[in-house]
Amino acid sequence: DTEVTQTPKHLVMGMTNKKSLKCEQHMGHRAMYWYKQKAKKPPELMFVYSYEKLSINESVPSRFSPECPNSSLLNLHLHALQPEDSALYLCASSLQGVGNTEAFFGQGTRLTVV
Amino acid sequence: GQNIDQPTEMTATEGAIVQINCTYQTSGFNGLFWYQQHAGEAPTFLSYNVLDGLEEKGRFSSFLSRSKGYSYLLLKELQMKDSASYLCAVKDSGAGSYQLTFGKGTKLSVIP
Repeated sequence: DTEVTQTPKHLVMGMTNKKSLKCEQHMGHRAMYWYKQKAKKPPELMFVYSYEKLSINESVPSRFSPECPNSSLLNLHLHALQPEDSALYLCASSLQGVGNTEAFFGQGTRLTVV
Repeated sequence: GQNIDQPTEMTATEGAIVQINCTYQTSGFNGLFWYQQHAGEAPTFLSYNVLDGLEEKGRFSSFLSRSKGYSYLLLKELQMKDSASYLCAVKDSGAGSYQLTFGKGTKLSVIP
């Protein structure tokens, strides 16, 4: 199994809503990532979890709250988002350490904030 | 800090060869990846270089020069399905873990 599964695939939410994005992998990867990608732009790193601990937060606003309940799951909780937060949210995972630790990406959740 | 630079767009003809360049300046270096991303889809892994030199994998090759902070992706015998964005990404280390930072991507259009 070399898949990273993200749900939902599409999400439309209002600015007062609370929603969560979910990501799951069963490859034994201990590094998991959230990226945000706007149209025609490269993925931008948001958060990195290493062994279920948040190791990197790239100055992301607090309306985005990540959670890693176990080594296979990664969530992104959303609250009071703005229309400019509309984007494709990509989850990825990789082995930790040196060497060819390619990141495997999920298909993403396309988020629209109205 | 990190700075990864690649051309924004390129056009090439079916059957031809195209080279996509990437230059980087990063605070640490633990390898360079190339990813392909078709519109509306997730990035998929193409290649990995950590030592200087050329890595060949079928129609795709990737080259790295660490002293110059330079890499290129070479695509041979171009096919229409190769039309996609190509992302250069550098793995560096910070806070005891590793992260991938992506360049802005090069949109390649293959024409008949």
